Amino acid sequence: GQQVMQIPQYQHVQEGEDFTTYCNSSTTLSNIQWYKQRPGGHPVFLIQLVKSGEVKKQKRLTFQFGEAKKNSSLHITATQTTDVGTYFCAGLTDSSYKLIFGSGTRLLVRP
Amino acid sequence: DTEVTQTPKHLVMGMTNKKSLKCEQHMGHRAMYWYKQKAKKPPELMFVYSYEKLSINESVPSRFSPECPNSSLLNLHLHALQPEDSALYLCASRGYGGSQYFGAGTRLSVL
Repeated sequence: GQQVMQIPQYQHVQEGEDFTTYCNSSTTLSNIQWYKQRPGGHPVFLIQLVKSGEVKKQKRLTFQFGEAKKNSSLHITATQTTDVGTYFCAGLTDSSYKLIFGSGTRLLVRP
Repeated sequence: DTEVTQTPKHLVMGMTNKKSLKCEQHMGHRAMYWYKQKAKKPPELMFVYSYEKLSINESVPSRFSPECPNSSLLNLHLHALQPEDSALYLCASRGYGGSQYFGAGTRLSVL
């Protein structure tokens, strides 16, 4: 079945360092979405990428969608303690109501 | 603050109990979802309602029974659950492009 792989599983960084998480889908996606879940919280929608090669920025966060629409990345510049949480990518195929979630990357930031 | 409201926030129930989880959204979305999330795992899709009709059932055991009384409300009826059903149960509504707006969830413990 369709899968979305996400790496790394876990990353522990010093505050101020950069962080990147990567997603790779087994099939072409119509869009890819990113979510953040704080410890003890619920997933919160961050952004959606639709176009091949698309790049979007939200302050220190940069999101990319691959040319083949099968891979994506989230890069955080100069991490802060408020960035702590688990970041999930989630892919959607055409005409589908079902999001396929990646396994998530758990980010810890040392102050 | 989330625009999807779930009640109760916490629930402890015995294996012979019957309980219900409730979810409400006022964003005018026409598709609503139930997910189950175990610790350190991504949300796992259970059910999708589209225009108040059940469109996806991910082979969920019959001890979980969903109900969609109208386009704003979603219920999940629980009966004869097992301890392994203990998890965070998340409701979500579907926004533009399939983006998911999650509620804060119900933390369920089955004794």
